[in-house]
Amino acid sequence: NAGVTQTPKFQVLKTGQSMTLQCAQDMNHNSMYWYRQDPGMGLRLIYYSASEGTTDKGEVPNGYNVSRLNKREFSLRLESAAPSQTSVYFCASLEVSQAFFGQGTRLTVV
Amino acid sequence: KNQVEQSPQSLIILEGKNCTLQCNYTVSPFSNLRWYKQDTGRGPVSLTIMTFSENTKSNGRYTATLDADTKQSSLHITASQLSDSASYICVVSAIDDYKLSFGAGTTVTVRA
Repeated sequence: NAGVTQTPKFQVLKTGQSMTLQCAQDMNHNSMYWYRQDPGMGLRLIYYSASEGTTDKGEVPNGYNVSRLNKREFSLRLESAAPSQTSVYFCASLEVSQAFFGQGTRLTVV
Repeated sequence: KNQVEQSPQSLIILEGKNCTLQCNYTVSPFSNLRWYKQDTGRGPVSLTIMTFSENTKSNGRYTATLDADTKQSSLHITASQLSDSASYICVVSAIDDYKLSFGAGTTVTVRA
């Protein structure tokens, strides 16, 4: 039972490049989330998916897009990376208010 | 707007000592409150959950309290160990809301 798996763990992008962060969960949870974590700030919600086939914007959605590919997978895409998107990104799935997090992706945009 | 405030931002304690972390929230209608532990370079992991009717809950050396009237919670760490060095995050859920409200966390450093 792997829980929530994120890839990659580390990534360096040049400004303007695009990339997709992958997330998969094997706990059969309906709800999945993407957060970013910056120093001195709490986790901020980028996008979430309450169930397969639905996605909604969170607190900081600008510059990101998401796809809920199926019940297991929820990907986050940066179409044109900016230095302000340098952060640690966490994917999570939710069961009865308990969030299960992936290991995180440390993204640096130069 | 639902908010969660934690204090202190960071603290340093000697191994074997106790410490208490604070969490104040304005989330409404309140469903539950969880404390998460986040080790460096890892995702947060749930330590405890407190619902409206619960005042105290323990998980080993971690004891969480909740005062739903004043909207305050605390996390007490007893006889700290080096492995307790981590960030502790207070997370509050509202009823019928898929989104969680996160505090900024308290970074605890335990020194030998």
